[in-house]
Amino acid sequence: DAGVIQSPRHEVTEMGQEVTLRCKPISGHDYLFWYRQTMMRGLELLIYFNNNVPIDDSGMPEDRFSAKMPNASFSTLKIQPSEPRDSAVYFCASTPGVWNTIYFGEGSWLTVV
Amino acid sequence: SQQGEEDPQALSIQEGENATMNCSYKTSINNLQWYRQNSGRGLVHLILIRSNEREKHSGRLRVTLDTSKKSSSLLITASRAADTASYFCATDGNQGGKLIFGQGTELSVKP
Repeated sequence: DAGVIQSPRHEVTEMGQEVTLRCKPISGHDYLFWYRQTMMRGLELLIYFNNNVPIDDSGMPEDRFSAKMPNASFSTLKIQPSEPRDSAVYFCASTPGVWNTIYFGEGSWLTVV
Repeated sequence: SQQGEEDPQALSIQEGENATMNCSYKTSINNLQWYRQNSGRGLVHLILIRSNEREKHSGRLRVTLDTSKKSSSLLITASRAADTASYFCATDGNQGGKLIFGQGTELSVKP
């Protein structure tokens, strides 16, 4: 299996622009997670889905952030408008079921200038 | 707030020495997991220990879990320079599916 695939790997954008991060989970995994990693706050869970349905979005920082999972093989995390404090590494991860190992993608490195 | 907290934040040892990292958490759990992250990469799963287990081994890794103290430790024996990475513990907080990570321990193994 190819693992969790994220795109883009790196993005530099200007403040105010819309940013869309994409994720393809491992086939057959029912859970998908979006995490954000920064030096100051570590790894934060933003939102997770079960069978394409958002279960917990309490970690989404504010209304500028939105996530969708239109089907079992694709998810997006959108930031609109982006701000410099959104600069971070955004990880997508998936797992076949609760209390299982979580498999991470390589991350999307976002810089907002 | 973080569910798991690692200690120490940073650890520097010589190749061949053992490395011990500790993790404390706040609420009851179903399992606790340890992950490794190399610089610039995603996290990779190392080992999972369930709440009814006290110790688990995988190669040079040994994990212990003390649910009465809400703590876990990860021991890497006979460390190698390639073990240099950040190590994170993660717990489900008994919430099934929601895995919360600690701040991590940055391990440096000098050749």
